[in-house]
Amino acid sequence: KAGVTQTPRYLIKTRGQQVTLSCSPISGHRSVSWYQQTPGQGLQFLFEYFSETQRNKGNFPGRFSGRQFSNSRSEMNVSTLELGDSALYLCASSLAPQTNGEQFFGPGTRLTVL
Amino acid sequence: QKEVEQNSGPLSVPEGAIASLNCTYSDRVSQSFFWYRQYSGKSPELIMSIYSNGDKEDGRFTAQLNKASQYVSLLIRDSQPSDSATYLCAVNGFFGNEKLTFGTGTRLTIIP
Repeated sequence: KAGVTQTPRYLIKTRGQQVTLSCSPISGHRSVSWYQQTPGQGLQFLFEYFSETQRNKGNFPGRFSGRQFSNSRSEMNVSTLELGDSALYLCASSLAPQTNGEQFFGPGTRLTVL
Repeated sequence: QKEVEQNSGPLSVPEGAIASLNCTYSDRVSQSFFWYRQYSGKSPELIMSIYSNGDKEDGRFTAQLNKASQYVSLLIRDSQPSDSATYLCAVNGFFGNEKLTFGTGTRLTIIP
């Protein structure tokens, strides 16, 4: 069974630009969560999607948004990039929200904002 | 107060000894608890889950939960150099409002 895939793996953007990251969950998994990981803050929850609906959202500004498609694939978008958005963005999938403690993480997208 | 707190370490343990990792959480209604391991440059991977008070053993790993004290720990017996990693404690919310919150992790180094 294929694992969680994320594209692209690396991105370099400049301040003010926007970026879209993609995540394909494990087949059969319907819940997708997104996290931002930085050395100082650790793993910070961005949002979770299930059945194309956002179930939970972390404490991030509105510049961070996401969506989920009917095939459970998910995208997250960051608009008006800031230097502080440089981080590793991780996507994780689970069967359903009730089992979202047992998550499988993708390899991440490393975003660098210059 | 952070929702999930861990000692950031680094924690150094001789090979073959027991490594003890601790985690406290603030939300009393938390229902489920998890330990993830993250090797440098890699993504987190789930190694243990625990849902009720007491101990849960899986190979060399034992998770311990005390809901009254809002405390969860991970013991690694017979520590191996391959156990060197950052260990993340994660806590899930109550049924119907599941939201996984991670601690900042404890960096563990096993000394050969």
